[in-house]
Amino acid sequence: ETGVTQSPTHLIKTRGQQVTLRCSSQSGHNTVSWYQQALGQGPQFIFQYYREEENGRGNFPPRFSGLQFPNYSSELNVNALELDDSALYLCASSLGGLGTEAFFGQGTRLTVV
Amino acid sequence: TQLLEQSPQFLSIQEGENLTVYCNSSSVFSSLQWYRQEPGEGPVLLVTVVTGGEVKKLKRLTFQFGDARKDSSLHITAAQPGDTGLYLCAGAGNQFYFGTGTSLTVIP
Repeated sequence: ETGVTQSPTHLIKTRGQQVTLRCSSQSGHNTVSWYQQALGQGPQFIFQYYREEENGRGNFPPRFSGLQFPNYSSELNVNALELDDSALYLCASSLGGLGTEAFFGQGTRLTVV
Repeated sequence: TQLLEQSPQFLSIQEGENLTVYCNSSSVFSSLQWYRQEPGEGPVLLVTVVTGGEVKKLKRLTFQFGDARKDSSLHITAAQPGDTGLYLCAGAGNQFYFGTGTSLTVIP
């Protein structure tokens, strides 16, 4: 158990819809990162939030956006869903920036039909 | 573009055999981490290496960071079925990069 929880665990959406995924960080961790993992591949970095501010972003379009709240929990929002957005979405919390020890949640499996 | 390339991509071995997984890049990383991921779960951190040439041991697992901090290896001695999983290396640069992954199956 890492103390990082994600909800929901599974989700099915229709192309064009919008989705919000949630992440509760490990206690005391002020940094949260989001990743997209396609089947059989390594996770791809979407973005990172530190104390409610985005402080790093990977190669994802603006329709991928996020929020971090004062309690350090976080949301990932994806607008105008595409079929290729189907993937496992992982959240990781850490105390500090990139490269520090990160603890992952179990992920949200998103299927876009 | 994949910054971190892992090899082999797939590995199937008998229980008791030894194996090595490689993680290579043309970029220098301030630190490199190894994770193991099981189906339906998030990656679990195994080790972080920071210093070029560093070697860390975790029971039957030995991790090495290259002298130039561009590559790393994971060696497993006497593999067991419980070692089965997806092994991922990850490096910290201007963002966090994961490798392509090595799927290991240990057959009893």
